[in-house]
Amino acid sequence: GAVVSQHPSRVICKSGTSVKIECRSLDFQATTMFWYRQFPKQSLMLMATSNEGSKATYEQGVEKDKFLINHASLTLSTLTVTSAHPEDSSFYICSARVGQTSYGYTFGSGTRLTVV
Amino acid sequence: GQNIDQPTEMTATEGAIVQINCTYQTSGFNGLFWYQQHAGEAPTFLSYNVLDGLEEKGRFSSFLSRSKGYSYLLLKELQMKDSASYLCAVMDSNYQLIWGAGTKLIIKP
Repeated sequence: GAVVSQHPSRVICKSGTSVKIECRSLDFQATTMFWYRQFPKQSLMLMATSNEGSKATYEQGVEKDKFLINHASLTLSTLTVTSAHPEDSSFYICSARVGQTSYGYTFGSGTRLTVV
Repeated sequence: GQNIDQPTEMTATEGAIVQINCTYQTSGFNGLFWYQQHAGEAPTFLSYNVLDGLEEKGRFSSFLSRSKGYSYLLLKELQMKDSASYLCAVMDSNYQLIWGAGTKLIIKP
């Protein structure tokens, strides 16, 4: 089945530093990648939609200069959290739509970011 | 606005049956998904409904009524490993997924 590999699974960084999260589609081409953030006991919140070869579309309230998204190829999308702060600590998940709608979306395994 | 409602938490007994309801109000409808999410893990796909009726898949079944804006996920023969959050999501007219807050299901022996 379609697999999205997400790395790292956990990262702890200091305030003010940047962290890059990678999502790779292993056996299919992901023209569109969705990036979500999930705080404890809350639902998934869509941050942005990245399309291969073009600029990402950010949801209202998400700072595009803080959360840099690059989707340079059909198999790789990256999210970089710049100048991280403790309030950026969260669970970040990428997702790609697979084939026809009925197959749903496949998710990466998620990245637990802790900013200290 | 767009809205997805599902209960915050439910408790059931091992071996029993539980029904998790989801109601929605969205701009357009291109299908409803149910996902299972264990704590600290990414969601995994359970089911997809786009037509009215019941879809059965092993111990899990999902029902949809588009006229009522209503769906439910039915879990039979509950096992301890079914303890997880269950997320209802609707694909709107722009093919964007709108997510419910999830229902935390607690299974007791």
